Amino acid sequence: SQTIHQWPATLVQPVGSPLSLECTVEGTSNPNLYWYRQAAGRGLQLLFYSVGIGQISSEVPQNLSASRPQDRQFILSSKKLLLSDSGFYLCAWSWQETQYFGPGTRLLVL
Amino acid sequence: ELKVEQNPLFLSMQEGKNYTIYCNYSTTSDRLYWYRQDPGKSLESLFVLLSNGAVKQEGRLMASLDTKARLSTLHITAAVHDLSATYFCAVDITYDKVIFGPGTSLSVIP
Repeated sequence: SQTIHQWPATLVQPVGSPLSLECTVEGTSNPNLYWYRQAAGRGLQLLFYSVGIGQISSEVPQNLSASRPQDRQFILSSKKLLLSDSGFYLCAWSWQETQYFGPGTRLLVL
Repeated sequence: ELKVEQNPLFLSMQEGKNYTIYCNYSTTSDRLYWYRQDPGKSLESLFVLLSNGAVKQEGRLMASLDTKARLSTLHITAAVHDLSATYFCAVDITYDKVIFGPGTSLSVIP
């Protein structure tokens, strides 16, 4: 069966520090992968999606970037965090018309 | 610009009552999803609606899709406390991109 992992689960970072969030999927190959952000009490905002290794589409201009170095690995990064980057970051993969979400990373930027 | 709207955004209902959550979207799509999110948790897929007139039911929840009206409904029958959560609809505008509504926060009270 397919599973999706995210780490870390929780992260507290100072403003201006770098960021690296990792997402990996097991049990499938060549999945479409997605990064979403959910601000407190809000809906989901699509940040990036990827249909293959090295193929990244960005949905919103911001100080975040994404990379897909391996088929089942998706990384969200920032060189310098902003206060507004705080939120719940969810990775997802899609299979048979459904997106399946990872457990999420809760990021607090202070 | 694609807009996905949900109505209501907040809903408090008594156990045993029925209610409907509405999801409107502004662009052509024949694929719509409903998700549930418990507080502090990730998203769980509830329904995938793939064509006009699609209706799916699971327990006390029933979802329908009218692609001509660009409207989906999530109907709750005889609500119970366990249904308290936030419900999101999401519209698939391409195979690679899904846009989420703002969510409906449902609270079922005894």
